[in-house]
Amino acid sequence: DAKTTQPNSMESNEEEPVHLPCNHSTISGTDYIHWYRQLPSQGPEYVIHGLTSNVNNRMASLAIAEDRKSSTLILHRATLRDAAVYYCILRDYGGATNKLIFGTGTLLAVQP
Amino acid sequence: KAGVTQTPRYLIKTRGQQVTLSCSPISGHRSVSWYQQTPGQGLQFLFEYFSETQRNKGNFPGRFSGRQFSNSRSEMNVSTLELGDSALYLCASSLATTGSNSPLHFGNGTRLTVT
Repeated sequence: DAKTTQPNSMESNEEEPVHLPCNHSTISGTDYIHWYRQLPSQGPEYVIHGLTSNVNNRMASLAIAEDRKSSTLILHRATLRDAAVYYCILRDYGGATNKLIFGTGTLLAVQP
Repeated sequence: KAGVTQTPRYLIKTRGQQVTLSCSPISGHRSVSWYQQTPGQGLQFLFEYFSETQRNKGNFPGRFSGRQFSNSRSEMNVSTLELGDSALYLCASSLATTGSNSPLHFGNGTRLTVT
């Protein structure tokens, strides 16, 4: 399974944009890039996913490098509620499985 | 729409006992997977079920088992509990397993403490 690398922790100020990076240099052509986050005392929550093009939804934006070896999750205006561990995960769309391989993720702290 | 429901929320057991955890997926979701989360190992995949069949299994000993019922509800069982089994056990449901485009929806877990 292809691996991802993320910084252990990041800090942001409330109402400022946050850019969470993820490296996935061994990504294969059939891997989607998924992001989940885990708020304290909760299970992980799906955030966004993409294959090649940049993606936007109500929660965040996903910017994918042209060579797909890296991506960035963008929170446009961080709130205190966005403090969580963010996981970048690769999922093979050709595989019939919901097995997710979680790394250690990035712990995002948001300061008021 | 109700989310993924896991019961019980907290559980305390003694070494050597066995435990059964329950998961009710989102209505209409046929895929259920289980994960163990510990401070040392992070989130690790246990197994997944689709239409009552186990489709994939993680690298855990045979003491960990599961099953899925015809209504998609799932249970996991851990026998002969060890101290190291203390963890947050998370269940996730999804519409399907094909295409890897169906997001997983996680419950808030069962916190198991083994003493």
